[in-house]
Amino acid sequence: DGGITQSPKYLFRKEGQNVTLSCEQNLNHDAMYWYRQDPGQGLRLIYYSQIVNDFQKGDIAEGYSVSREKKESFPLTVTSAQKNPTAFYLCASARDSSGANVLTFGAGSRLTVL
Amino acid sequence: EDQVTQSPEALRLQEGESSSLNCSYTVSGLRGLFWYRQDPGKGPEFLFTLYSAGEEKEKERLKATLTKKESFLHITAPKPEDSATYLCAVHTYNNNDMRFGAGTRLTVKP
Repeated sequence: DGGITQSPKYLFRKEGQNVTLSCEQNLNHDAMYWYRQDPGQGLRLIYYSQIVNDFQKGDIAEGYSVSREKKESFPLTVTSAQKNPTAFYLCASARDSSGANVLTFGAGSRLTVL
Repeated sequence: EDQVTQSPEALRLQEGESSSLNCSYTVSGLRGLFWYRQDPGKGPEFLFTLYSAGEEKEKERLKATLTKKESFLHITAPKPEDSATYLCAVHTYNNNDMRFGAGTRLTVKP
């Protein structure tokens, strides 16, 4: 079955550490997205990519970095510069970003800073 | 700035008690309005897309409607398995991404 796989599902980080969240899709989608979800708030866009080797900052990109070396993969690194990283992170993909396309989401990764 | 507001934040219903969830939006140019369902600890799942005022879509006990300022998600005779958070999102001509509301957490008691 086609879909999006995020790993790990749970991750604990000590202050000052960088961590990388994995996102892989086999839907042959061009566009991929990273969202952050906090209690009581809507999903907020961190980064998105419309094509391999290209990505754009979203509303809350500070303290995060991404790469898009392959169409199927869009890993997110949470750096030590992100002051409040504890959150639920969602990766999504869409056929493309040119129109109102449905987002397909992964199951999410929950990051906790110790 | 594009804004999406959902109400109420939380809704508790008895099984069989019909109700509606609201999503109001202020955007400069709407490409599409989306409804998603999210279960605890999981990613959102797509329910509906609405593109123009007057459009309606139905799926089992759910019916989504759209006006120029808001969308409603009507739940008819809900069951406990309908308990989830329902998210509304808009895709506009200003952005290459979705703008999400904070969601409505629905609990249906047997």
